[in-house]
Amino acid sequence: QKEVEQNSGPLSVPEGAIASLNCTYSDRGSQSFFWYRQYSGKSPELIMSIYSNGDKEDGRFTAQLNKASQYVSLLIRDSQPSDSATYLCAVNGITQGGSEKLVFGKGTKLTVNP
Amino acid sequence: NAGVMQNPRHLVRRRGQEARLRCSPMKGHSHVYWYRQLPEEGLKFMVYLQKENIIDESGMPKERFSAEFPKEGPSILRIQQVVRGDSAAYFCASSTSMTGGMETQYFGPGTRLLVL
Repeated sequence: QKEVEQNSGPLSVPEGAIASLNCTYSDRGSQSFFWYRQYSGKSPELIMSIYSNGDKEDGRFTAQLNKASQYVSLLIRDSQPSDSATYLCAVNGITQGGSEKLVFGKGTKLTVNP
Repeated sequence: NAGVMQNPRHLVRRRGQEARLRCSPMKGHSHVYWYRQLPEEGLKFMVYLQKENIIDESGMPKERFSAEFPKEGPSILRIQQVVRGDSAAYFCASSTSMTGGMETQYFGPGTRLLVL
């Protein structure tokens, strides 16, 4: 059973601080890693994707991947109140029939306080 | 709007009725995934389809649930004889036909099903 684990939070940070979100996964064969943001009552919105070890930066967001430790993280710099949401870590790997279904963690709820 | 489209956005059914959820993938996307999100739970994979083919239905409940993606028209997730435990948000995601573990899935707005 492939699993993705995240701290459920809530994680609370002041405006302007760095928010650090962490995720571990069980399947060593996983190839692609994603961070989605989900506002309450809304659908998941892709924030970052990462496929190889190291860091990937996009604006205020940095994803970090360590396949040896089976660990992926998301850093949000200069956090804004509008970043308050649940952040979902998702992992995939080629499975039955070429299916690249995503396995999601339960999400970390982030609150950025003004 | 070139995004993933789902309808209806909200659906209320009484126990024992049928629910039909529709999904039109993004333009140029040929892969459709259905996920379910129960209250206070993470998203769970249900089924993966390509046109006229079910590729992976390992996440589908064995009974009452079915899915299709016909040659023409949207993908449909069908739930027969709904029960209260089916109340959830059902999300459709689509992706291109890239292989090698590099597909990115884009989600539709979801259908919130409430079973009374």
